[in-house]
Amino acid sequence: EIVMTQSPATLSVSPGERATLSCRASQSVSSNLAWYQQKPGQAPRLLIYGASTRATGIPARFSGSGSGTEFTLTISSLQSEDFAVYYCQQYNNWPLFGQGTKLEIK
Amino acid sequence: EVQLVESGGGLVKPGGSLRLSCAASGFTFSSYSMNWVRQAPGKGLEWVSSISSSSSYIYYADSVKGRFTISRDNAKNSLYLQMNSLRAEDTAVYYCARDGAADSSGYYGGMDVWGQGTTVTVSS
Repeated sequence: EIVMTQSPATLSVSPGERATLSCRASQSVSSNLAWYQQKPGQAPRLLIYGASTRATGIPARFSGSGSGTEFTLTISSLQSEDFAVYYCQQYNNWPLFGQGTKLEIK
Repeated sequence: EVQLVESGGGLVKPGGSLRLSCAASGFTFSSYSMNWVRQAPGKGLEWVSSISSSSSYIYYADSVKGRFTISRDNAKNSLYLQMNSLRAEDTAVYYCARDGAADSSGYYGGMDVWGQGTTVTVSS
C-alpha cells in the first residue's frame, strides 16, 4: 500500500516570502498527484492536479512540480490568505491523502 | 453554479446506522466519478469511498469496508453513503467531492468540487 508523507508538518514563513512544501510517495504514482488548500471551517480547495497543472482560478503564485515519488508545492510570494493547511493526494486505483502541512505566519 | 450539498449527518449511538446524501447541481452528474472524504475533529483528510459514473467501479477504504455502502442515483443527481455498525472513530465531517477531468496527458484531475460537509457524531 502506498504511503504519502508530507514535510514539514508545520512551516513558518513571512508574508511575501517563498514557501516550499514537500510530498513523498512510498512508490511511484507517476504524475497522479493533486494538492489542496484547506482553511479552518471550510472544505478543501483543489489547487494543483496532474502534479503541475493549476486548477481553475488558482493564482499563478502556486506551482507544483515533481513526478514518481517526489513532489513539491511552491507558493512564490505568500499572501495573507495563503496561510492554511495543505494536503497532497495521490491517485493509484483509489485516492490517498498525505497528513498535511500547516503553513503559518512567521 | 456547480454545487454539492450534503445532508443526513447527526448524532448516532455506537452500532447504529446513518445514511448521508449529496445533492449535485449545475453539472452533468452522470458523467463524473464521485467520492466521500471525511475529516475527524482536528485531523487530516481521509478518503472513504469512490464510485464511478455508472456505478461500475466502487472502492472503499479498509477502515470502512464491510460497514459502509456507497451508491448513486443519476436520475436524481444524488450520491449516498449508507453507514452501518458505526463506531466512535467514524465521528467526522463527511464531504462529497467530484472527480475532476484528467489533464491533457491523462493524469489524475483531482477532486475539483466539494460540498460544505455534514457532521456525523457517534457517541453514547
